[in-house]
Amino acid sequence: AQSVTQLGSHVSVSEGALVLLRCNYSSSVPPYLFWYVQYPNQGLQLLLKYTTGATLVKGINGFEAEFKKSETSFHLTKPSAHMSDAAEYFCAVSVSGGSYIPTFGRGTSLIVHP
Amino acid sequence: GAVVSQHPSWVICKSGTSVKIECRSLDFQATTMFWYRQFPKQSLMLMATSNEGSKATYEQGVEKDKFLINHASLTLSTLTVTSAHPEDSSFYICSARVSLNTGELFFGEGSRLTVL
Repeated sequence: AQSVTQLGSHVSVSEGALVLLRCNYSSSVPPYLFWYVQYPNQGLQLLLKYTTGATLVKGINGFEAEFKKSETSFHLTKPSAHMSDAAEYFCAVSVSGGSYIPTFGRGTSLIVHP
Repeated sequence: GAVVSQHPSWVICKSGTSVKIECRSLDFQATTMFWYRQFPKQSLMLMATSNEGSKATYEQGVEKDKFLINHASLTLSTLTVTSAHPEDSSFYICSARVSLNTGELFFGEGSRLTVL
């Protein structure tokens, strides 16, 4: 079975600073990896995804993530935080053996200070 | 991208009544939809997988008779919380699988249920 670990339930950065949200996964087969963002009282929106091919994937709102198989990681980064980035971020993994039903991490709350 | 619409966004009901939440795929056909429950400051808990034209598959610990799921068409799945109690108060989110081979999902806006 697959699993996801998001390190840090809260990450606090200053506006303009680098954003780094950590995600590690566990899977015995090649995974598909996703980052979703959730704003208060809303559903989740896909930020980016890794399926196959290039390991550095770019998403919306200036976010990107790199799939590192050797480290079983898929960390999310953004060079310069904006106040509007404050939200909850979820990492998810799906695999063929799991019928491609994604497993979500606990979520990381990004706080951006002015 | 694909659009999933969920209604209502907010609902308040009295204990003992039933509440129906609708989830529609607006511009694509969704043979599979998922229903999640989210507690404050927590992750999503998968409640059930809804398959068009067949019975839903419930996750362990989810009461089938309490949370009725119907997926009668390729664009509509409904979740009915029956005989609601205050402990059923939560944020319910539906999603539709866009890709059969990767697990990518599109989510509805969520429904905040408050049971008095």
